[in-house]
Amino acid sequence: QFHLVQSGAEVKKPGASVKVSCKISGYTLTQLSIHWVRQAPGKGLEWMGGFDPEDDETIYAQKFRGRVTMTEDTSTDTAYMELSSLRSEDTAVYYCATIEGSSGWYYFDYWGQGTLVTISS
Amino acid sequence: EVVMTQSPATLSVSPGERATLSCRASQSVGTNLAWYQQKPGQAPRLLIYDTSARATGVPARFSGSGSGTDFTLTISSLQSEDFAVYYCHQYTNWPPFTFGPGTKVDVK
Repeated sequence: QFHLVQSGAEVKKPGASVKVSCKISGYTLTQLSIHWVRQAPGKGLEWMGGFDPEDDETIYAQKFRGRVTMTEDTSTDTAYMELSSLRSEDTAVYYCATIEGSSGWYYFDYWGQGTLVTISS
Repeated sequence: EVVMTQSPATLSVSPGERATLSCRASQSVGTNLAWYQQKPGQAPRLLIYDTSARATGVPARFSGSGSGTDFTLTISSLQSEDFAVYYCHQYTNWPPFTFGPGTKVDVK
């Protein structure tokens, strides 16, 4: 059985950083490419970035470049997303997701349960 | 950036009825279009990819069609578990991957 299990909810102050984890079970991280999508309360889905296996690099959405870092620890099959300089607009549920597809065309097939990050002074 | 729009924003349907959801892209995305279902408090779930292929375990009452800029998700006979928000997603022109704003299917 394949699962993505994310870390628990976080409350952060404006200007701080948050690091969300996504642990893989049932596969090894080296077999997967992980992306991150967030969802503000009552809003839609917003892609933040992820690993492109076609070009073997991590791609970030322009909106988050300079503030987000996505890393992986293959020894524990855990992916991480760190977002810095947090502001109130970053309050959202953050999801990790695996991609499927080929030739650079990918959709999101499995999702973690989500991690609520609340920014509050 | 490819902008995705969905209509209607809310669709009120009675159980057993057919639901037709629309998704439009601001430029052609070929057939690289997916649909996700999201229930309150849950992560999105992949329903359809490559415009019309059902993901594993998705019932046959869900079907997708279209190409280029106009796409449709049809639920042939709504069941109680189908009341949810549905998002379309294009994956031809990225970064960024982009999603539609969603269509909420609720009980009439």
